[in-house]
Amino acid sequence: SQQGEEDPQALSIQEGENATMNCSYKTSINNLQWYRQNSGRGLVHLILIRSNEREKHSGRLRVTLDTSKKSSSLLITASRAADTASYFCATDGPGAQKLVFGQGTRLTINP
Amino acid sequence: NAGVMQNPRHLVRRRGQEARLRCSPMKGHSHVYWYRQLPEEGLKFMVYLQKENIIDESGMPKERFSAEFPKEGPSILRIQQVVRGDSAAYFCASSPGLAGVYEQFFGPGTRLTVL
Repeated sequence: SQQGEEDPQALSIQEGENATMNCSYKTSINNLQWYRQNSGRGLVHLILIRSNEREKHSGRLRVTLDTSKKSSSLLITASRAADTASYFCATDGPGAQKLVFGQGTRLTINP
Repeated sequence: NAGVMQNPRHLVRRRGQEARLRCSPMKGHSHVYWYRQLPEEGLKFMVYLQKENIIDESGMPKERFSAEFPKEGPSILRIQQVVRGDSAAYFCASSPGLAGVYEQFFGPGTRLTVL
């Protein structure tokens, strides 16, 4: 079954605004990770949140996890043009090392 | 400290040819994963390997695709008799395989185009 469906599929905001992306998944997880992908490039690891954690911060990034709703959100504060990229959530489940990715959110920051 | 290395970055093959994609994990990482990404889609897991062992190949097509991670040298993803539908970006990731460490670090990918 598919996991990690992101919402919205595309988001366009002005520089300086906050960007929020959501991710939902279907089965139980060990960890949820967020990655960024610039156009035509590889993935950059942003942050990992464990299933027993509810919130995590890293610089301008804030990730929340609600295991009862099987959802996570990624908040980027004070967005910059360089944040323009696709953002993916990925989950790994009990006994499985593989990551299951969603379709991603394409974020555009307008100067 | 070099990251995950993949080569070639771009590969063009004609239908029926073979494609070999290479991945060198980060120094100290013993676990390698291969993923495929079609345009405008997320990554799909293909195979998970440790040195000389395939741990999980549940995402690998049953035919034409194979992967290895020898004791010495890079991990290889091999696609025989390529077809147009194999055109995609193939990403390799590695992790240290330590208890409690789950982050996977990705290479830049190999973009395969089948003519």
